[in-house]
Amino acid sequence: GQQLNQSPQSMFIQEGEDVSMNCTSSSIFNTWLWYKQDPGEGPVLLIALYKAGELTSNGRLTAQFGITRKDSFLNISASIPSDVGIYFCAGHRVGNDMRFGAGTRLTVKP
Amino acid sequence: GAVVSQHPSRVICKSGTSVKIECRSLDFQATTMFWYRQFPKQSLMLMATSNEGSKATYEQGVEKDKFLINHASLTLSTLTVTSAHPEDSSFYICSARSDRAYGYTFGSGTRLTVV
Repeated sequence: GQQLNQSPQSMFIQEGEDVSMNCTSSSIFNTWLWYKQDPGEGPVLLIALYKAGELTSNGRLTAQFGITRKDSFLNISASIPSDVGIYFCAGHRVGNDMRFGAGTRLTVKP
Repeated sequence: GAVVSQHPSRVICKSGTSVKIECRSLDFQATTMFWYRQFPKQSLMLMATSNEGSKATYEQGVEKDKFLINHASLTLSTLTVTSAHPEDSSFYICSARSDRAYGYTFGSGTRLTVV
């Protein structure tokens, strides 16, 4: 079952605002990943984090791998309408499958 | 990059019939593929891990006789929903592990509707 706690569940923001979402777990993960899913599509990888403390950016997206290896956050700066979608965190341990958070549904008002 | 193709994207079937969903890794070999199920407004729930040349590993609560998985080659895994019922209606997504990109590439999903 799901082992990741992702929050918030949903966000309604104005275009141009910054967004922050996070994931926590009771388990340690070796890798944290953030995906975006558009309606009717499969998830697409946004950022992958491999080391505790790592801070990685991809355009307007920034994500960090928590020091304890039990959490991660994703920030989106200066949101635009095409940022709309569901964002999932995922954790992976070597030799195991990937587990997903429940998702954060983002709505951006123009 | 690593590309995973999933087919069909949408299927409507009658109760009691079986439906097969294909997941192909197009430009890499995948010894392991994963099948997920997603209900509306919910996260992806892992159903089973498909291993090439051996039996799939099913998550607790997933009926292996109902959701048949075959991974007969390094580029193809299939999920067959047998004797489908309306409660099987869902979005099914596969993913495959590639050595090229970080690990997990997803297919575009299959929307199954059982009427």
